[in-house]
Amino acid sequence: DTGVSQDPRHKITKRGQNVTFRCDPISEHNRLYWYRQTLGQGPEFLTYFQNEAQLEKSRLLSDRFSAERPKGSFSTLEIQRTEQGDSAMYLCASSFGGDNQPQHFGDGTRLSIL
Amino acid sequence: GDSVTQMEGPVTLSEEAFLTINCTYTATGYPSLFWYVQYPGEGLQLLLKATKADDKGSNKGFEATYRKETTSFHLEKGSVQVSDSAVYFCALPHSGGSNYKLTFGKGTLLTVNP
Repeated sequence: DTGVSQDPRHKITKRGQNVTFRCDPISEHNRLYWYRQTLGQGPEFLTYFQNEAQLEKSRLLSDRFSAERPKGSFSTLEIQRTEQGDSAMYLCASSFGGDNQPQHFGDGTRLSIL
Repeated sequence: GDSVTQMEGPVTLSEEAFLTINCTYTATGYPSLFWYVQYPGEGLQLLLKATKADDKGSNKGFEATYRKETTSFHLEKGSVQVSDSAVYFCALPHSGGSNYKLTFGKGTLLTVNP
């Protein structure tokens, strides 16, 4: 069990640029989640994949955000035309099996918008 | 809707002191309950869980009992160590058909001084 891996750990970019983050879940986990965490808050759900299918997107995920999970393995989260309010920690988690199973989190990607 | 309320932090204790972090929740039915811990600069790690009423989750000296009558899941440790300094999050799966989504409390920052 190598854990959930996220890349990069930190990203600094100028407002208006596009950014892409990658998440590699634990290999046998069929479910993958993205959360966003701002300073002093708990993580907030963004989106969920079961295998390669994206089954839910939060209202927090505007049209500038897109997530994919080709072949049901790694996932990418892209933010287009970044804004100051996008500055946050983006966390990926994965789990195996049905609902109510614990989710295993990566160390996150911290995004800073200049 | 589902919600989690944690005691306000920060909490500052001396080594070997007793710790309680209160967590109460609002949900439909009887979801699993989780405590996650986040060390500085890292993602969330599952600390312990309980899957049904009166269950006690335990790990690394921490304990929490699922109390349905008071809708609570308070975290306790008899003797804290400096290495326990972290942010602690109470969480539960969303109810009503989307119980793969975790709802988190705002987190409680614990600082343990030697």
